[in-house]
Amino acid sequence: NAGVMQNPRHLVRRRGQEARLRCSPMKGHSHVYWYRQLPEEGLKFMVYLQKENIIDESGMPKERFSAEFPKEGPSILRIQQVVRGDSAAYFCASSRTGTSGNNEQFFGPGTRLTVL
Amino acid sequence: GEDVEQSLFLSVREGDSSVINCTYTDSSSTYLYWYKQEPGAGLQLLTYIFSNMDMKQDQRLTVLLNKKDKHLSLRIADTQTGDSAIYFCAESPVSGGYNKLIFGAGTRLAVHP
Repeated sequence: NAGVMQNPRHLVRRRGQEARLRCSPMKGHSHVYWYRQLPEEGLKFMVYLQKENIIDESGMPKERFSAEFPKEGPSILRIQQVVRGDSAAYFCASSRTGTSGNNEQFFGPGTRLTVL
Repeated sequence: GEDVEQSLFLSVREGDSSVINCTYTDSSSTYLYWYKQEPGAGLQLLTYIFSNMDMKQDQRLTVLLNKKDKHLSLRIADTQTGDSAIYFCAESPVSGGYNKLIFGAGTRLAVHP
């Protein structure tokens, strides 16, 4: 059973370009979470999605950031017009359940975004 | 508010026990988690504890929970060089609908011979 897959593992963009980060959850998981980790810091929650629905986007910056989890295919985190402050590691996690019981989240290896 | 605090560094000798401490703020958190992150890698779930428990043991790992003081600790017995990593504690508060994990900044464990 493959774990959470993320690609690319490393992404370099120039200021003003767009970054698209992909996440395929574990088989049987329909709940996806995105977190951002700045250097030397812990992970900060960004957004929680189920198939075709955004459930909680309280951690997403209001501008330039968007996320989707279509019926078919991976979840996408999209950052438009990137700035240097967007440089971070972006982690995706998935879980089998949502709010009920132990919301055990399994993490992918992350995408390390560098903005030049 | 939501705030999880951990000490940033811990250095131990190989074979000794390591104790990593964490304090959290939201008493509504039902589960509390410990994750391990090795350099350049994602997070690996080590263990978790349900809030109605005081202690949980899993091989070399022991988790202690003091709900009154909102204090969580992870003890690693017989620490090995392969245990060198960053350890994050995390809570899942009801204020977040139990959906989001709130992480501490991580404790960097260095194991030396």
